[in-house]
Order: sequence, then structure tokens, then C-alpha cells
Amino acid sequence: SQTIHQWPATLVQPVGSPLSLECTVEGTSNPNLYWYRQAAGRGLQLLFYSVGIGQISSEVPQNLSASRPQDRQFILSSKKLLLSDSGFYLCAWSSWGASPLHFGNGTRLTVT
Amino acid sequence: AQSVSQHNHHVILSEAASLELGCNYSYGGTVNLFWYVQYPGQHLQLLLKYFSGDPLVKGIKGFEAEFIKSKFSFNLRKPSVQWSDTAEYFCAVISPDKRRYQKVTFGTGTKLQVIP
Repeated sequence: SQTIHQWPATLVQPVGSPLSLECTVEGTSNPNLYWYRQAAGRGLQLLFYSVGIGQISSEVPQNLSASRPQDRQFILSSKKLLLSDSGFYLCAWSSWGASPLHFGNGTRLTVT
Repeated sequence: AQSVSQHNHHVILSEAASLELGCNYSYGGTVNLFWYVQYPGQHLQLLLKYFSGDPLVKGIKGFEAEFIKSKFSFNLRKPSVQWSDTAEYFCAVISPDKRRYQKVTFGTGTKLQVIP
């Protein structure tokens, strides 16, 4: 069966520090991969998606970037965190086409 | 662009009460519809989905949803809620086409609190 791992679960970082959140998927090949941010009362905001290695699409301009160095690895990064980057970040994968999303457990990021 | 509305942001019910959470979407063509649930401290998980066929869809834990195309709605229902149903519920829509990537549009979520 497929599993998705996301780490760390929580992270506290000072303003201006770099960020790296990692997500890996097991049990499937060539998945679509996603990074979402969940904010209270605002639902889920799609940040990035990827349909293949090295292929990244950004939904909103921001202080963050994403990379997919391997088929089942998706990384969310920032060179310099802002206070406004605080939030709950979710990684997800899906099969091709109109398939359900499968979410990781999320990372609670607090920028101080 | 597709949009999804969940008008109830916070719902409080007593155990055994009936539940109906509203979900309306904007796109008038073919849609795939989903309900996700996030229990406290847990990840988002799929509750049920509608792709085609019988508009009344049954999911896990006694939940069901009805697709009413004329009303652009996909409301979630449960005849009798339990304390363990306390969670946040998200409606989501895909307007499918033949591309590999299909954009999922989520509603803002409804927090359900069930009082014992």
C-alpha cells in the first residue's frame, strides 16, 4: 500500500533563517505531488504541484520554492523565512488525472 | 475558475443529532466531488467521493453525500452523529479533463463539534 511521510511535524524557526520541509511517498510510481498550506478559516491553499522529476508549478507567488529531485521526493524550501510564512504545511500525492489526494500528517511551522 | 462554498464554518451538535453540511460549487460542467475529514491532530483523509453514477454516495463511518447537479451541490449527511465525529470537514471539486494534472479546489472547511 502507499504511504506518505512528511517531516518534521513541528518546526520553530527565526525570521530570516532557511527552511527545508521534506516529503516522500512509498508504494507508487510517478505520482503527482503537492504542497498545500492550511490556514484556519481559509481552507487549503495550493502552493506547488509537480507532475514529474524537476517539474514544478507554482500556484501563488511567495517566499517559498519547491523541488522534486527524485520521483517520490518533494521538498519545500525558503532562503529567508518571513513571519507570514508561519502556518500548517501539508504534502499530498495523487495518481494521474482526477484522483483523490492523499495527505501527509503536516508540518506546523512557527516563524519567530 | 472553479470555486467551492461551505457556508457553515462552525457547527455544534449534540450526540445522536442529524448532520447536514452544505457544499456548493460554481462550475456547471462535469465535476468530480470529494469530502475530506480532518480529525483533531490527524491528517486529512478521504471520506467519500463522487465521479459518476448514483448521485447518492456512501462513505466511511456512516456518512453519505448527495450530488444534485441542478443545485450545484454536494451536501454531506449523517443520520446520527457521535462524539468521535468531531472534526473539520472539507468539500473539494475537480473539473476533470484529459490532462495529467487536475486542479483540486477546496472549500474553506466546516468545523463540527459534537457534544456528548
